[in-house]
Amino acid sequence: GQQVMQIPQYQHVQEGEDFTTYCNSSTTLSNIQWYKQRPGGHPVFLIQLVKSGEVKKQKRLTFQFGEAKKNSSLHITATQTTDVGTYFCAAPPGNTPLVFGKGTRLSVIA
Amino acid sequence: EPEVTQTPSHQVTQMGQEVILRCVPISNHLYFYWYRQILGQKVEFLVSFYNNEISEKSEIFDDQFSVERPDGSNFTLKIRSTKLEDSAMYFCASTLTGGGTDTQYFGPGTRLTVL
Repeated sequence: GQQVMQIPQYQHVQEGEDFTTYCNSSTTLSNIQWYKQRPGGHPVFLIQLVKSGEVKKQKRLTFQFGEAKKNSSLHITATQTTDVGTYFCAAPPGNTPLVFGKGTRLSVIA
Repeated sequence: EPEVTQTPSHQVTQMGQEVILRCVPISNHLYFYWYRQILGQKVEFLVSFYNNEISEKSEIFDDQFSVERPDGSNFTLKIRSTKLEDSAMYFCASTLTGGGTDTQYFGPGTRLTVL
C-alpha cells in the first residue's frame, strides 16, 4: 500500500531557531495534509496542499508541495515553545482514508 | 466550533474482555472513521463508515472489530475480545463529504489499556 515517509523522526531546537520536516511519497499524491499533535492530544488539521508547487503560509509556518506532487515540507521560522508537538503529513491514496507519516516530534528548548 | 467527542477518555480492561468505544461525530458530517495510535507511533487507519456501512477497512480491522451507528448521533467501535496489543489511543474522526480533499476532524481519543 501507499506509504508516506517523513523525516526527521525527532528534532530538538533552541527557541528562535528554524525547523523543517519533510514528507516523501513514492507515488504521486492528489493532495497532502499536515496535522499537529500536541503531547497527549489528538491530531489537529493545519493545512492542505493540492496544486503542484503550491506554497502556503500560516504566520511562521510555511508549507510546500513539490512540483511532482511526491514530496512536501513544513518549515517553522523562529520556533516558540508553543510549537512543541508532533507534526504529521498525511495523504489519501484515493479518497479517504488518510495514510499518515510517522511524524516529526519537535522539542523546543527555551 | 463544532467538534468530535469521544467517551470514555480512558478505558482499562482485562485481556479477553469486550470494549465499546463511543464517538459523536460532527452533526452534519457524513463520513466517519476510526484510527488508532500505539504509544509513540504513527496514526493508523482502521475503518471508514458511510451510509450505515463500512466503506473501507485496513488489515488491522479484523473479525474482532466491529463498528456501528446505533442512532443518529453515536458511532461506536467494538473490540470483542481484547488483546494486549490492542492497547492504544483510538481516535474517531469525521468529514463532511468523504472526498480525498476533505478535512478530517479528530476527536480527543480514548486511551485503551488492556491488562
